Amino acid sequence: EVQLVESGGGLVQPGGSLRLSCAAFGFTFNNFAMNWVRQAPGKGLEWVSGISGSGGDTYYANSVKGRFTISRDTSKNTLYVQMNSLRAEDTAVYYCAKGPSEYGRSGDYFDYWGQGTLVSVSS
Amino acid sequence: YVLTQPPSVSVAPGKTARITCGGNNIGSKSVQWYQQKPGQAPVLVIHYDSDRPSGIPERFSGSNSGNTATLTIGRVEAGDEADYHCQVWDSSSDHWVFGGGTKLTVL
Repeated sequence: EVQLVESGGGLVQPGGSLRLSCAAFGFTFNNFAMNWVRQAPGKGLEWVSGISGSGGDTYYANSVKGRFTISRDTSKNTLYVQMNSLRAEDTAVYYCAKGPSEYGRSGDYFDYWGQGTLVSVSS
Repeated sequence: YVLTQPPSVSVAPGKTARITCGGNNIGSKSVQWYQQKPGQAPVLVIHYDSDRPSGIPERFSGSNSGNTATLTIGRVEAGDEADYHCQVWDSSSDHWVFGGGTKLTVL
């Protein structure tokens, strides 16, 4: 059974940093693209970043480019996002989501999601 | 690339609900739909415009043409009350894009 478990959320001051993790279970981790999607309180879904199965291709939303870095560790079956220079508008529940192929691009979708971890940016 | 959804749709039990997702020439893209109930993670209900993942009832169907994609839910039940989000891949920016979401209310 596929399972995705996020961790690392919490309260951080503006300008601070946080690293989120997503532990993956039940599938061959390096065969599938992975993504981070966030949802601000009472708002819709916003795609944040994606990474191919090999880790060789990464993609970022304009709102986080240059501040967030996505990565994956196949030995630990874990997806990460390093979030720097955090702003109040980064406050959201962050979900990790799995793709159905290694590519993470056109023709893909998000077939499994974790339950999310809450990041609050406030002084 | 912008996807436009109506903020809310209301439907009586047993009737058919239609939720639209508008985008420039969206018919040339592959559209996904996700259902999200309060306090829960999204669940994929339609991919590749009209394909249902295993476990999704046949009451859920999708179509996509021109500038509008549509999620149709037949014989609506109280348990279908949720937010529904459409999604596409924008190849011009290498970004995934979500619509703003539609809250489906079952009267």
